[in-house]
This record gives sequence, structure tokens and C-alpha cells, in this order.
Amino acid sequence: DAGVIQSPRHEVTEMGQEVTLRCKPISGHDYLFWYRQTMMRGLELLIYFNNNVPIDDSGMPEDRFSAKMPNASFSTLKIQPSEPRDSAVYFCASRRTGRYEQYFGPGTRLTVT
Amino acid sequence: AQSVTQLDSHVSVSEGTPVLLRCNYSSSYSPSLFWYVQHPNKGLQLLLKYTSAATLVKGINGFEAEFKKSETSFHLTKPSAHMSDAAEYFCVVSESGTGNQFYFGTGTSLTVIP
Repeated sequence: DAGVIQSPRHEVTEMGQEVTLRCKPISGHDYLFWYRQTMMRGLELLIYFNNNVPIDDSGMPEDRFSAKMPNASFSTLKIQPSEPRDSAVYFCASRRTGRYEQYFGPGTRLTVT
Repeated sequence: AQSVTQLDSHVSVSEGTPVLLRCNYSSSYSPSLFWYVQHPNKGLQLLLKYTSAATLVKGINGFEAEFKKSETSFHLTKPSAHMSDAAEYFCVVSESGTGNQFYFGTGTSLTVIP
């Protein structure tokens, strides 16, 4: 089975530009998570969905960040406008109801100059 | 409240010698515990998990961990290190019954010396 798929793997953009990160969870998984990893703060949960519905977005840094899950196989994390402090690796993860382990994608390394 | 403390930020072992990565947790409830490994520029891969079954958990690539409630520990071990084990290791605690809020340790970087 394919794992969690994320695109792009690397993104370099200029401050002020809009950035969209994409994620395809493992088929059959009904929970989807977005994380951010930085050297200073480690891994942080940004938001998670259950059955395509956002359940907890308390980790979203500010209004510049938004996430959607239009269907069970696709989610986006958008940053608009982007700032240099948004530079990080963004991970998507998914899991199935009844199982506690989460499966992570390869991540998107975002650099905002 | 849940939290995880990884007691060593860096561990260095020689190839073929045992590995011990230490993790202590704090949990108000019966926890689920996990170890993940992250190789450079890669995502996190699940090594093993404890979810209230057997206290000695076997994972992939020869790794094991033992859940010790009295010591609130979940240390990761491997009898013989391989060069490919060099990576960052994360201990994670989650409140049992939800699986949604993961609390990550700060990570332990494992170096394997040839």
C-alpha cells in the first residue's frame, strides 16, 4: 500500500507569496493531521481532521494559515501571505479509527526568503 | 497533562554494541506510547507501539521497548547497532482512547561509529 503522499517535497518562495501544501492520506484512514517541525519548537500539531471535518485547529499559528479537506483522499495547508518565520518542514499524517498510531508522510520543506 | 522527556539528546555507540535510548513520560491517564525514527530528510517511521497489551514490545529492525509503569519509562533498546540505525528517534505519548493528541519528546540523535 502507498503511504501518506505529500507534495511538493521542497518549496522555496518569497515573503508575501501564497504557499499551498498538499497531502493524500493512506486509503481507509479517516483521521488526518498536519504538523510543523522546526529546530526551535520541535514537532507541533497544527490541525487535524476526522472524516474531512476539522476537529481541532488550536495549533494553527495565525489567520495566515488555513487548511481544508474537501474529500477523504486530499487535504491542503495554505499559508497566505508567507513569512520567513514560516520556514519549516511540514508533515502530514493519517490514522484509522480504532488504531492509535499515526503514519507520517515524507514532509514538505518550506523555505521563505 | 501528558509530556515526554527524552533523557539524552545525543547517543553515540559503536557498530555491533547495544543501543539504549531513554524515555520517561507523564500521563494523567493510561497512555499509549510510541517510538518513531526519522532518517535525514525523511518522514517519521513508526518503530513500535505500546497500547496496554504486553509490556515488552517488539518493533521493526530488531528494536524493543519495555513499558514500566512504576518508573514511568519506555526505553528503546537494540542488542546490536547497525550503521543504518543512525537517525533521530522520537518518543511519543498519547492519551489512550484518542490517538489524536501526540506529545513528542525532543528527540535523541543516534550516531553509530564504524
